[in-house]
Amino acid sequence: NFLLTQPHSVSESPGKTVTISCTRSSGSIATNYVQWFQQRPGSSPTTVIFEDDQRPSGVPPRFSGSIDSSSNSASLTISGLKTEDEADYYCQSFDDTDQGVFGGGTKLTVL
Amino acid sequence: QVQLVQSGAEVKKPGASVTVSCKVSGHTLTKLSIHWVRQAPGKGLEWMGGFAPEDGETVYAQRLQGRVTMTEDTSTEIAYMELSSLRSEDTAMYYCATDVYCDTVTGYCSDYWGQGTLVTVSS
Repeated sequence: NFLLTQPHSVSESPGKTVTISCTRSSGSIATNYVQWFQQRPGSSPTTVIFEDDQRPSGVPPRFSGSIDSSSNSASLTISGLKTEDEADYYCQSFDDTDQGVFGGGTKLTVL
Repeated sequence: QVQLVQSGAEVKKPGASVTVSCKVSGHTLTKLSIHWVRQAPGKGLEWMGGFAPEDGETVYAQRLQGRVTMTEDTSTEIAYMELSSLRSEDTAMYYCATDVYCDTVTGYCSDYWGQGTLVTVSS
């Protein structure tokens, strides 16, 4: 199996852009789709990006996802930061035996 | 409007089993891929298992293999997750969730999550 490594925390000011990385330890990041989840305190998670770069309906275009094979990582970019974006963000992927793997999560502070 | 409503909080002793239910409304269980995710207090998300549509079968997390069973009752539209041989490390919030589902008519894409069920394992 593989690990997905995320920064423990990031912070940025309202209106700015932040990028959260998710690095896969082994195997190609491009082999299996990556999802990104947002979890606000006390709430269930929700998907903000699926299949590497797709946004569910209702998720604003300020949220975008990408993968980079050269660094074997996926990224979640949030532009025009709002205080409501403050949350924990998790990346997730599956391996070739359909085992799901979550990253450790990144706490985003908008200050 | 798809909704997933989970059963209430549970307190169990070590060695016991727990079953968490997840009632689906607004859609058909057979058309959704249900996964189970748990989160220990103050910790991150852990994937427990779920339905893999490409294989047509349920896949369990290797570290829980042998202790977890996920089933679905299509007559009542309820999914179940049973975890046996409970230990203190199983104390967590347990969530059922769907993959992102895109309605072929409206094009509306969304995932759906239950509200969570807190399972506490304590002697």
